[in-house]
Amino acid sequence: AQKITQTQPGMFVQEKEAVTLDCTYDTSDQSYGLFWYKQPSSGEMIFLIYQGSYDEQNATEGRYSLNFQKARKSANLVISASQLGDSAMYFCAMREVAYSGAGSYQLTFGKGTKLSVIP
Amino acid sequence: GAVVSQHPSWVICKSGTSVKIECRSLDFQATTMFWYRQFPKQSLMLMATSNEGSKATYEQGVEKDKFLINHASLTLSTLTVTSAHPEDSSFYICSARDRSSYEQYFGPGTRLTVT
Repeated sequence: AQKITQTQPGMFVQEKEAVTLDCTYDTSDQSYGLFWYKQPSSGEMIFLIYQGSYDEQNATEGRYSLNFQKARKSANLVISASQLGDSAMYFCAMREVAYSGAGSYQLTFGKGTKLSVIP
Repeated sequence: GAVVSQHPSWVICKSGTSVKIECRSLDFQATTMFWYRQFPKQSLMLMATSNEGSKATYEQGVEKDKFLINHASLTLSTLTVTSAHPEDSSFYICSARDRSSYEQYFGPGTRLTVT
């Protein structure tokens, strides 16, 4: 079973509107972290927002907020007031404690959602 | 902020040759570095995890003899693609975990094309 599921291969949003990108996850760990990254066409991975499994408040970073529903195992990204520069691939990722002899804390990525902002 | 560099940013090589990609943490020490591969329109797939001073741990299906990883210092890890073939053409991204904060930072990636 996939650990991170992003069901929207592509999304369109009108400029200045809000958009929600879906992410569900699967883990049996009690302690884990959820991340969202933006990848523009240049390829660099840009960190957007982080939510810890024990955080009671939903994370917010500027125009980005994470709608964390622990019981449903979902961590949706909400982008408010979309801008043309938001057009990119968006990846949801999870960090579990992976004891591969080194406690490496690997990140597992979803397949991504391509967001296109329409002027 | 924490910066991770990769060199080269892009490389074209002939089939059968070897290519070395460097990943450096510029302003922090990284006990752990991760190497990912990303094919066009796909997600990042973890190839291996390297810890400073020890052998890398490879993910299932990744050939350790083909993708040689060396993590000789707290700021440098290298990935060598040996006897490269066209199917190795991909975008390779490293990330480094800060030994102090445990935060993970990504490099800008290296685009490898094997002709």
